This record gives sequence, structure tokens and C-alpha cells, in this order.
Amino acid sequence: DTGVSQDPRHKITKRGQNVTFRCDPISEHNRLYWYRQTLGQGPEFLTYFQNEAQLEKSRLLSDRFSAERPKGSFSTLEIQRTEQGDSAMYLCASSSLSGGLFNEQFFGPGTRLTVL
Amino acid sequence: SQQGEEDPQALSIQEGENATMNCSYKTSINNLQWYRQNSGRGLVHLILIRSNEREKHSGRLRVTLDTSKKSSSLLITASRAADTASYFCATVPEYGNKLVFGAGTILRVKS
Repeated sequence: DTGVSQDPRHKITKRGQNVTFRCDPISEHNRLYWYRQTLGQGPEFLTYFQNEAQLEKSRLLSDRFSAERPKGSFSTLEIQRTEQGDSAMYLCASSSLSGGLFNEQFFGPGTRLTVL
Repeated sequence: SQQGEEDPQALSIQEGENATMNCSYKTSINNLQWYRQNSGRGLVHLILIRSNEREKHSGRLRVTLDTSKKSSSLLITASRAADTASYFCATVPEYGNKLVFGAGTILRVKS
């Protein structure tokens, strides 16, 4: 399978615990994005990387959230001291930037986080 | 916050009928994309239309873009039960690098 993969698919945690999600993008894609989606809403942008550089972060990304893409390949999203409001689907997407054109993003299946 | 709004919020049609969904947005864009999401699952890219394009086709899908009205429409012809899903439009701002999604249209195709 050469699509975007995310792990784990589901995570249940207690309030105050830390969680980490992983995303493996399509191998030749140099851009990687994280989004958050709550029930009945469209995804909301959190952050994106071009290669290993984190180029933009949303104001939604509080200081409890941190994302990395150390070698320009896979990425991790960590949430520290989780709160019930963090419960959502966390989606990862990747895309290529070729010829200066912004191309479509390919999404992974998401990680559904439930904070009890 | 989300940029755009889809209309209608929900749509129920019979198999074989056409489905039209509309999307409005607020700022200048580089391109607009439509995605489909089946219940509780990831998003599937359907079609991308750039700001200098007015209409695009892909199989049973037809997308139009009116940048003067900041609106787009997605037409699905000859709908099938398998088209039942949520449909989202997403814009890439003219000087941005991310997708800004609307709240989506829930389409139900009855067989």
C-alpha cells in the first residue's frame, strides 16, 4: 500500500496523559500536513512541514501540541496533558510541490482520539 | 475557523438522480478542491480546480468555479448508493499553503 498511513487508528486515554501519533506520508511527497476534525465539522488545519521544516502552525496548536518531522519522512504529533476538548479525529495528509503548483493532498485514515 | 460554507447541509436523493452541492468562500484562492468522506473515515480527493479555470470534469463529476462570486458547485450525475458520504469543499488561499475546509454537505442516495 503506497498511501498515507497513520498509527494508531484509535487511542483512548485519560485526561492529563500524553499521547503521540505517527504519520507516514506517500514516499515522494515533500509536504506533510496535520488537521483535526470534530464531529459534524470539516477538518481544521493544525500545521504543515515542507521536508523537515515546520513552516506554519495554526493558532489552534496550543503549547501542549508539538509536531516533528525529523528526517523529512514520517511525522509525529504529540499532545501533552490531554484535555477532553482534544477528543477528535487527527488527520495527516501529504502532497507534492512540483513546478510551483499546489497539488491535491492525500489523506490518511486518521487517528481517533478519545480523552476520558 | 472555517472559510466557507456548503449548501445544502444535507441532501437526500434517489439513485439515478443528479446531486448538486454548492460552496462559498471568503478570500482569494489559488485553487479549490472537493473531497468525499465516508462515515468516520479518511478523506478522498475528488477533483481540483485552479483559480484560472471555470469548469472541470472527472467521470460523473462536474465542478464549476466562479471567482467573482467566490463560489463553486459540484455536480454528481447519475448518483449511486455508493455516493452516500459527506462532501467537503476546501480552498487553498492565494498566498497560503493549507486547505481551508467548509463544514460539508451530507449526501444520502437512496436505492
